[in-house]
Amino acid sequence: DQQVKQNSPSLSVQEGRISILNCDYTNSMFDYFLWYKKYPAEGPTFLISISSIKDKNEDGRFTVFLNKSAKHLSLHIVPSQPGDSAVYFCAASAGNKGDKIIFGKGTRLHILP
Amino acid sequence: KAGVTQTPRYLIKTRGQQVTLSCSPISGHRSVSWYQQTPGQGLQFLFEYFSETQRNKGNFPGRFSGRQFSNSRSEMNVSTLELGDSALYLCASSLNPGGETQYFGPGTRLLVL
Repeated sequence: DQQVKQNSPSLSVQEGRISILNCDYTNSMFDYFLWYKKYPAEGPTFLISISSIKDKNEDGRFTVFLNKSAKHLSLHIVPSQPGDSAVYFCAASAGNKGDKIIFGKGTRLHILP
Repeated sequence: KAGVTQTPRYLIKTRGQQVTLSCSPISGHRSVSWYQQTPGQGLQFLFEYFSETQRNKGNFPGRFSGRQFSNSRSEMNVSTLELGDSALYLCASSLNPGGETQYFGPGTRLLVL
């Protein structure tokens, strides 16, 4: 049973435009959400997180939106740059229960010149 | 501050052998988690250690085991290797257990022939 789902295996976006990566979850106990970025042959790098008490968190070009009623979150990258080409993992945890982090299968983002 | 380190970076083994992977967390981090990454499967949680105790365990067979030492360094062992164990094994550390932001090492790429 996949509790964190990233339904788009890949996404191509023109350089300079907005990249929107989506993530759905099924466990209503999840209260902490994270996005990681991974380049080939490297470990994932933490990008941004959001707690369930918020619906938006912004850090530079990266913004994460959380819609609790729809159990959906998204990562917006504006403007998209060539170095953003990577695999992006969505993750969630029931942090207040001290539970482990569950990762989605990832979305490969290609930034086109 | 040095990041998470993993050794070795690459490993080739044959079926039936066993392997031990090592992880040194970020200084001050007391929680270490292990993940297996295979193409199309995202990050599959193996186990989490805190204060030398296993706190959480994923759905992997008993051939996969781990431990944590008093200095928070962790090792993961896989016995009786199978071809399907070929994967990138990632270690992540966090200050405390249970859903806090984790910081990943570069991974150990294991190839089983």
